[in-house]
Amino acid sequence: GDQVEQSPSALSLHEGTSSALRCNFTTTTRSVQWFRQNSRGSLINLFYLASGTKENGRLKSAFDSKELYSTLHIRDAQLEDSGTYFCAATDSNYQLIWGSGTKLIIKP
Amino acid sequence: EAAVTQSPRNKVAVTGGKVTLSCNQTNNHNNMYWYRQDTGHGLRLIHYSYGAGSTEKGDIPDGYKASRPSQENFSLILELATPSQTSVYFCASGDANSDYTFGSGTRLLVI
Repeated sequence: GDQVEQSPSALSLHEGTSSALRCNFTTTTRSVQWFRQNSRGSLINLFYLASGTKENGRLKSAFDSKELYSTLHIRDAQLEDSGTYFCAATDSNYQLIWGSGTKLIIKP
Repeated sequence: EAAVTQSPRNKVAVTGGKVTLSCNQTNNHNNMYWYRQDTGHGLRLIHYSYGAGSTEKGDIPDGYKASRPSQENFSLILELATPSQTSVYFCASGDANSDYTFGSGTRLLVI
């Protein structure tokens, strides 16, 4: 099976609402990164976590290396949050293993 | 500002021709990566490098070569381009305990 299981695959939110994305890992993960890919295809690094939680504005991410999962919370969603979100785990060989992505649509 | 710069941004190549995609990073990262992204596949690792002079095969290396002549530069080479290599290519740099930084991508069309 996939080493990184990302869910949901697609998500539609109304402006001002909140939700969370999740990645489950099936093997030891040294760290996790969250990226957003915008409509132009550019990848933006949102968070890097080796443990614990990080917060940046309306985004918050957590990584539990023992329970092997990570979450990305989006609070008060805005139109510019639309895009495809990827998590990527760093494995024991320091290689990035990617989730399959969550396509997020924010509706007015 | 530290960055990863890819060139060209867009490329049209003929089948059987040679294509070189270039990547330059100012992050002073040891590791550099080449990915391709196709609809329905997400990002797939082609080649990567641990430093100048090092190239390693990723998950889908067939049909591609890589070159890392310096810490800053990492090239992806398609010696005999095929239409199946039409894709968007991303370069990235990173280290074991730091963020990865991606370039803006190169759109390659092989006709």
